[in-house]
Amino acid sequence: ETGVTQTPRHLVMGMTNKKSLKCEQHLGHNAMYWYKQSAKKPLELMFVYNFKEQTENNSVPSRFSPECPNSSHLFLHLHTLQPEDSALYLCASSQAPGTGGNGNEQFFGPGTRLTVL
Amino acid sequence: GENVGLHLPTLSVQEGDNSIINCAYSNSASDYFIWYKQESGKGPQFIIDIRSNMDKRQGQRVTVLLNKTVKHLSLQIAATQPGDSAVYFCAELNRFDKLVFGAGTILRVKS
Repeated sequence: ETGVTQTPRHLVMGMTNKKSLKCEQHLGHNAMYWYKQSAKKPLELMFVYNFKEQTENNSVPSRFSPECPNSSHLFLHLHTLQPEDSALYLCASSQAPGTGGNGNEQFFGPGTRLTVL
Repeated sequence: GENVGLHLPTLSVQEGDNSIINCAYSNSASDYFIWYKQESGKGPQFIIDIRSNMDKRQGQRVTVLLNKTVKHLSLQIAATQPGDSAVYFCAELNRFDKLVFGAGTILRVKS
């Protein structure tokens, strides 16, 4: 058990729907991440939150909207997605970026398999 | 699997043999590297890490070798078992303190 949970594990949505992905970490970490893993590209970093503040937005389209209410919870709000957004969305957490070495070891959740019709 | 479209390199080994998975990284200034294992239907799991001031680090049945001259990283798995079948990713910490992941290698263990 990695200590990072994600819900739902599977999600099918239409292009006009609005849905949210949830991530929770029980590891006492201060940084949380959203990644996209698709069949056509390597693991892509989307967003980084460090002590609840967004520190990275890796040119992600605005139809993806992250929210980090506290250091243990991270959401990804989805609206008007496209079929090419279908992928596995992974959440991860770590102690804190910039601390070097083990502070950067990221623990991943199981992911949400998203299918956009 | 998730990465079929990428045409990932595949390593097939017989159960009990040793496996060597290779990775080339891009940034000579990277000073921290991690190997992750991702089984079907799961997120990546940490295996072992190494800092750039080391050439070799050993864990339980796994060894990571770092060759900074040619920017090459390898993961050696001793006595490979069926449970080792997965996709293996290397990741380097870039100058912005962000992990950059490689495309991955599929390891298939034949019984």
